[in-house]
Amino acid sequence: ETGVTQSPTHLIKTRGQQVTLRCSSQSGHNTVSWYQQALGQGPQFIFQYYREEENGRGNFPPRFSGLQFPNYSSELNVNALELDDSALYLCASSLRTGGYGYTFGSGTRLTVV
Amino acid sequence: TQLLEQSPQFLSIQEGENLTVYCNSSSVFSSLQWYRQEPGEGPVLLVTVVTGGEVKKLKRLTFQFGDARKDSSLHITAAQPGDTGLYLCAGSYNTDKLIFGTGTRLQVFP
Repeated sequence: ETGVTQSPTHLIKTRGQQVTLRCSSQSGHNTVSWYQQALGQGPQFIFQYYREEENGRGNFPPRFSGLQFPNYSSELNVNALELDDSALYLCASSLRTGGYGYTFGSGTRLTVV
Repeated sequence: TQLLEQSPQFLSIQEGENLTVYCNSSSVFSSLQWYRQEPGEGPVLLVTVVTGGEVKKLKRLTFQFGDARKDSSLHITAAQPGDTGLYLCAGSYNTDKLIFGTGTRLQVFP
């Protein structure tokens, strides 16, 4: 079975620009969660998608938005990038089993300059 | 706001030593997971504990969930350089959202 794949692996953007990050979930998983991990910190929950609908959101502003597609892949969009958005963005897929069985991708390292 | 505090934050030891990492919270979790993360990679799940007082062993790693399901510990026996990495605990309230701890960065020298 394939794991979680994220693209791109690295990205450099200018402040004020917009970015789209992509995630392909593990085969058989119908739930995708996105996390932001700043340097030296633990990941912070951004939001989760289940059956193409947002199923929970962390403390992130509306300029962070997402989509889930019928094949359960997902996108994270960030508008009006700020310097503090520089981080590793992690995607995790799971079956919706109440907090079990997460598989994380290797992440996208976003640098905002 | 981090609801899970890990200690120590950094740990640097020699190969063969034992160590314990702690994960503490004022909240009760329905389950708690431990992950290891290496540079440039995503976290990899090591174990999930769900029952208060539960102890799980994974080779040289021993995980314990506190009786009140508010805290957990990870003990590594005879650490090896391959154990080097960032260890993260993560709690769940049964809502599919993980609350990650602050992390413990372990360095094991040969």
